[in-house]
Amino acid sequence: GQQVMQIPQYQHVQEGEDFTTYCNSSTTLSNIQWYKQRPGGHPVFLIQLVKSGEVKKQKRLTFQFGEAKKNSSLHITATQTTDVGTYFCNAGGTSYGKLTFGQGTILTVHP
Amino acid sequence: NAGVTQTPKFRILKIGQSMTLQCAQDMNHNYMYWYRQDPGMGLKLIYYSVGAGITDKGEVPNGYNVSRSTTEDFPLRLELAAPSQTSVYFCASSPGLAGFSYNEQFFGPGTRLTVL
Repeated sequence: GQQVMQIPQYQHVQEGEDFTTYCNSSTTLSNIQWYKQRPGGHPVFLIQLVKSGEVKKQKRLTFQFGEAKKNSSLHITATQTTDVGTYFCNAGGTSYGKLTFGQGTILTVHP
Repeated sequence: NAGVTQTPKFRILKIGQSMTLQCAQDMNHNYMYWYRQDPGMGLKLIYYSVGAGITDKGEVPNGYNVSRSTTEDFPLRLELAAPSQTSVYFCASSPGLAGFSYNEQFFGPGTRLTVL
C-alpha cells in the first residue's frame, strides 16, 4: 500500500514563530489534502492541492505541492495560540484507491 | 444539515462483549469511512464504502465488520471486544471522486471506546 511519511511528529514553538510540517511519499500522488484537529476534536478539512507545484494560501497558512507530486508542506507564519492542534496530510495515489493519512504533526504554541 | 453524526459518544465495554457504532450522514455522500485514532497517534482506516452495498477493507480491519445498506448509514460492528480496540473511532463521509482526485472528507465527532 501507499506509504506517507509526515514530519516532524511534534513541534513546540513560541507564539509568533513560524511552523512547517512536511508530507512525503515514495510514489507520485494524484492529490493531497490537509486537515487540522484541535485537541479533543475531530479532523477538519483545510485545503486540497491537485496540480504539480501548486501553492495556495489561507491567511497565515501556505500550502505547497511539490513539482514531482511526491511531497507537500504546510507553513504557518507567526503562529498564534489558536493554531494549536494536530495537522494531518491525506494523500491520494494515482491509481484508484483509498487515501492515506500521514501520522500527523502535533503543534504546541507557547504564549 | 446535521452533517455526520455518530452514536454513542462514549462507551465502556467488557472484554468479549460486542457492540455497534452508528454513523449517519445527511449530505447524500457516496463515500463513507471508519477510522480509529489511538492516543497521540494518527488515523488508521478500518473500512470504507464507495456506495450502498459496497464495502472494502482498510489497513486495520481485523476484529471489525461493516455494512452499507443505505447511502445514509454506515455502522461499524465490533465482535468480541479486546483491550487493543480501546480507541477513538471517527466516521467520515465524502462526495467521492472529482475527476482524478478526491473530495474533502467530513468527519463526525467521534466515539470514545474503552474495553476493560
